[in-house]
Amino acid sequence: DIVMTQSPATLSVSPGERVTLSCRASQSLGSNLAWYQHKPGQAPRLLIYGASTRATGIPARFSGSGSGTEFTLTISSLQSEDFAVYYCQQYNGWHTFGGGTKVEIK
Amino acid sequence: EVQLVESGGGLVQPGRSLRLSCAASGFTFDDYTMNWVRQAPGKGLEWVSGINWNSGSMGYADSVRGRFTMSRDNAKNSLYLQMNSLRPEDTAVYYCAKAGTSGILIIGYMDVWGKGTTVTVSS
Repeated sequence: DIVMTQSPATLSVSPGERVTLSCRASQSLGSNLAWYQHKPGQAPRLLIYGASTRATGIPARFSGSGSGTEFTLTISSLQSEDFAVYYCQQYNGWHTFGGGTKVEIK
Repeated sequence: EVQLVESGGGLVQPGRSLRLSCAASGFTFDDYTMNWVRQAPGKGLEWVSGINWNSGSMGYADSVRGRFTMSRDNAKNSLYLQMNSLRPEDTAVYYCAKAGTSGILIIGYMDVWGKGTTVTVSS
């Protein structure tokens, strides 16, 4: 199985700051990587697919980059509604998710 | 509006069975692979199973293979997960999720998710 490792586990950030989340795969994925935002009690929300393509309706402050085994999700200026847990997911083989990064208010 | 609504969760004893359902609306259901994903308390997301548009191909996580069976009824725009021999470690919120692209493959990203139904396995 492909193992996905996200870092850091928790990030304490102030509104307006730039945020960079990392996701590493145990083997090459090409660009078969997605990012999701998940808030308590809500459905997970697709942010990015194909490593760098924003999903429909996702604000431009969210961007994804990387290929192979190293990927990054960047939020250019964190808004109050962005505090959540973020997961990466590989779909180069049977789906696996990273452990998540919790973005919390500093 | 594209919508997925899960139902069927509840409290069940270890070793018993439960059947989850997911009602889909707002899109051409039989064009898309569908998935079940779960989140145990305090844990991250875990893919459980996927089924392609015509039920010709299915996949399961190792943790549920042989105990869970996924199915779909395209005439009813519905997805199901039959869960047998339930264990305490199956306790989780179970989400139904739609594949982001149409086609025959099971693997892919998921662009629409339901709000989930809670399954608790405990004596």
